[in-house]
Amino acid sequence: DAGVIQSPRHEVTEMGQEVTLRCKPISGHNSLFWYRQTMMRGLELLIYFNNNVPIDDSGMPEDRFSAKMPNASFSTLKIQPSEPRDSAVYFCASTSRLNTGELFFGEGSRLTVL
Amino acid sequence: EDQVTQSPEALRLQEGESSSLNCSYTVSGLRGLFWYRQDPGKGPEFLFTLYSAGEEKEKERLKATLTKKESFLHITAPKPEDSATYLCAVQEDGSRLTFGEGTQLTVNP
Repeated sequence: DAGVIQSPRHEVTEMGQEVTLRCKPISGHNSLFWYRQTMMRGLELLIYFNNNVPIDDSGMPEDRFSAKMPNASFSTLKIQPSEPRDSAVYFCASTSRLNTGELFFGEGSRLTVL
Repeated sequence: EDQVTQSPEALRLQEGESSSLNCSYTVSGLRGLFWYRQDPGKGPEFLFTLYSAGEEKEKERLKATLTKKESFLHITAPKPEDSATYLCAVQEDGSRLTFGEGTQLTVNP
């Protein structure tokens, strides 16, 4: 199994630009999560989907952030416009066994907004 | 709101020197407590799930235990390859996992 695949691995952009992060979950997994990790705040849940439907987006910081899951094998997290405080590592995770807490994380997308 | 506090923030051990990491939590109804390991530049990797007080899980040199207020991750005779950040997370009702800020473990040869 290829695991959770995220792209890009690194992105450097300027304030005000649109950023799109992509995630391909593990085949057969029906739950998908977007997390953000920073030194100051640790690992924070932004949004999660179950069967392609957004279930909890209460962690999405503000309207500049949006996430979609058009099908079971693809999800995007978009930031428009980006700001320096959005700089972080963004992780996507998936699971087919939500009640066990066993999430499979991708290697993350490191975003730097100048 | 769920609170998860891990201590210490960082821990340095000599190879073979056993120790424990702590995760204390405050949730109104714990559904599960989870331990993850994170290596630099990588995503967290699942280690254990604990559901109820008194439960224990083991994997190689690691043993996780759970009480009503906290969990411990015991590391017996650690090796340099055990160096990583160890994260705990709790799940209350629903599916949200709330993570602690982690303990950065360094094991020197």
